[in-house]
This record gives sequence, C-alpha cells and structure tokens, in this order.
Amino acid sequence: GAGVSQSPSNKVTEKGKDVELRCDPISGHTALYWYRQSLGQGLEFLIYFQGNSAPDKSGLPSDRFSAERTGGSVSTLTIQRTQQEDSAVYLCASSFWRQGVSGANVLTFGAGSRLTVL
Amino acid sequence: QQQVKQSPQSLIVQKGGISIINCAYENTAFDYFPWYQQFPGKGPALLIAIRPDVSEKKEGRFTISFNKSAKQFSLHIMDSQPGDSATYFCAASRAGGFKTIFGAGTRLFVKA
Repeated sequence: GAGVSQSPSNKVTEKGKDVELRCDPISGHTALYWYRQSLGQGLEFLIYFQGNSAPDKSGLPSDRFSAERTGGSVSTLTIQRTQQEDSAVYLCASSFWRQGVSGANVLTFGAGSRLTVL
Repeated sequence: QQQVKQSPQSLIVQKGGISIINCAYENTAFDYFPWYQQFPGKGPALLIAIRPDVSEKKEGRFTISFNKSAKQFSLHIMDSQPGDSATYFCAASRAGGFKTIFGAGTRLFVKA
C-alpha cells in the first residue's frame, strides 16, 4: 500500500482480555518496528523485525506481549491478559533497511492503534 | 549506551521566534540522527536528519546542529509558526540493521 496501515484504530477492552493489533507495512519494506506511546510520553521501543533475522524483542515489557511477522509482511502484536497500564497508542513503522548496508534508516509510521483497558 | 536524552519536555515560543530542542546520545556507534514531527492523532514523520560527518544541515526553516565531540545535536526552527506546533522527537540509529532509538519528545506550542 501507499502507507503503513494499522488496525484497529481504536480498541477498548476489559482488564484481563487478550487483544491483537495489526500492522500492514509498506510493500517491499524489510524492517518493521513496534513502539508504544503512552499519554504525553515518548516512543518506547517494543520489538523490531529485520528481514529473516531473529527479531529484537528487547523492548517487550513482559511475557504478556508477543509479536509475529508472517511472510515478511503483516505483523500482529498480541497483548495477553491486558492490564490498565497497557493503555497507550501502539505505533507500527516500517523501513527499507537492509542488514549491513549503511544509509538512511527512514521510518514510516502508521497512525497507531489506541488501546484503552478499562 | 542505547539512550537518547531530549530536552526540554515542552516549549512555548512566540510566532516568529526561534525554537530550539536539544538531544544527547551515549553510543558513539550511532551514525544517523533524524528528527521526527508528530501532529495529534498521527504517527511521527521524518522532518530532517543528519550524519556525524557534517556539523550542520539546513532545510528551509529547520536546521540541525551536530557536535560530535560533545555527543549532542539540536533542532532549530527559525521563524516559528503556529503550524509548527507539534511534538518533536530526536532519534539515533546505526548501520548494520539495528533499531532506531527515540528521545522522550518535546511538545512545541507556537503562540500566534
């Protein structure tokens, strides 16, 4: 597509429920990122996929969070047993970034999925 | 080693004034320093970026100043306009396919 598409744009759930957030990156982009932005806060790195390499999961805050990227394209971020502190905007970004190649790693972000846990 | 520290947290500037946002990094392996602009309800978008082999880059009213020895870089917005009101993030990344690290963000408000 023309841009990074995220769905749903808004999700309200009850504490303890599982949620799935979807990201459809720009076609041909090899790298995909998930960030979390809490109200008035910065961009907290969650996870990073680069081509066929093992993902960098160093930013996932707990084992309730997981993500996968199928076929090198669409990614799903899953939050199990949601807590109120999980309420935030979850941003996905993609870039045309190849391992070992220097160059500008320009991230294109989606509009985000706003998660509210009641 | 991976942090990027950004200040101030918020900034109010009169129309026509200069907005200055500062960032500092620790990891000397970083070799790409972008600034992203985010409007409410939107994702961040690349505004301007610099590599450490130059000390300054200018695009229109936006300038990045880079001090490699001090490991600091800053964004200057000249002739600030109300339409510049947004949140600005500095960031850093390094060659080899590593993740991009963002600063905490600065909320800029330009008064008309």
